[in-house]
Amino acid sequence: GAVVSQHPSWVICKSGTSVKIECRSLDFQATTMFWYRQFPKQSLMLMATSNEGSKATYEQGVEKDKFLINHASLTLSTLTVTSAHPEDSSFYICSVQGFGYTFGSGTRLTVV
Amino acid sequence: QKEVEQDPGPLSVPEGAIVSLNCTYSNSAFQYFMWYRQYSRKGPELLMYTYSSGNKEDGRFTAQVDKSSKYISLFIRDSQPSDSATYLCAMSEGGGSEKLVFGKGMKLTVNP
Repeated sequence: GAVVSQHPSWVICKSGTSVKIECRSLDFQATTMFWYRQFPKQSLMLMATSNEGSKATYEQGVEKDKFLINHASLTLSTLTVTSAHPEDSSFYICSVQGFGYTFGSGTRLTVV
Repeated sequence: QKEVEQDPGPLSVPEGAIVSLNCTYSNSAFQYFMWYRQYSRKGPELLMYTYSSGNKEDGRFTAQVDKSSKYISLFIRDSQPSDSATYLCAMSEGGGSEKLVFGKGMKLTVNP
């Protein structure tokens, strides 16, 4: 499968600020990447599908203006949580589809 | 009814035991079936990837898919304490850019 690098692994931010999470496909040119959110003791919930060179496709109930996704190259997708609030605190994980779906190591976001 | 059902456990077994993990699903269009292992605060790691019905074996792990019953299983033989993790089943309709649908995950503890 692909090798996926996700940064940062954890971040703490103040309420109202924005946070950017990066997902890099190190050995695979990924036209499609996926962003998931996982709350404690819950499964992964797909937030959006990131498409290289075009707009992301968001799942129902996910605010596209709050969770900005940019997939400007075949190796990098970013998720920006804008005007973060405590309820946005969660574990965010990206994945790349290639010979199965390979996941990044995740980013634990805590909004205080 | 959720698309994918998985007993969240937790499940605790002694070292050396055979572990059976299961998921059921309702969408007959699912064709690709995966099992992931997730350690605490880490991204999911792909264990098994199968297409359509049948069995697949990899070391101590065996994945089974019964599409007629909409039932998939993961067997772990000679379980080790290092197998302690959360195991998630996942499935998709296509192997391309199709999104994954996850089960809730089963927390497994293997006691030495």
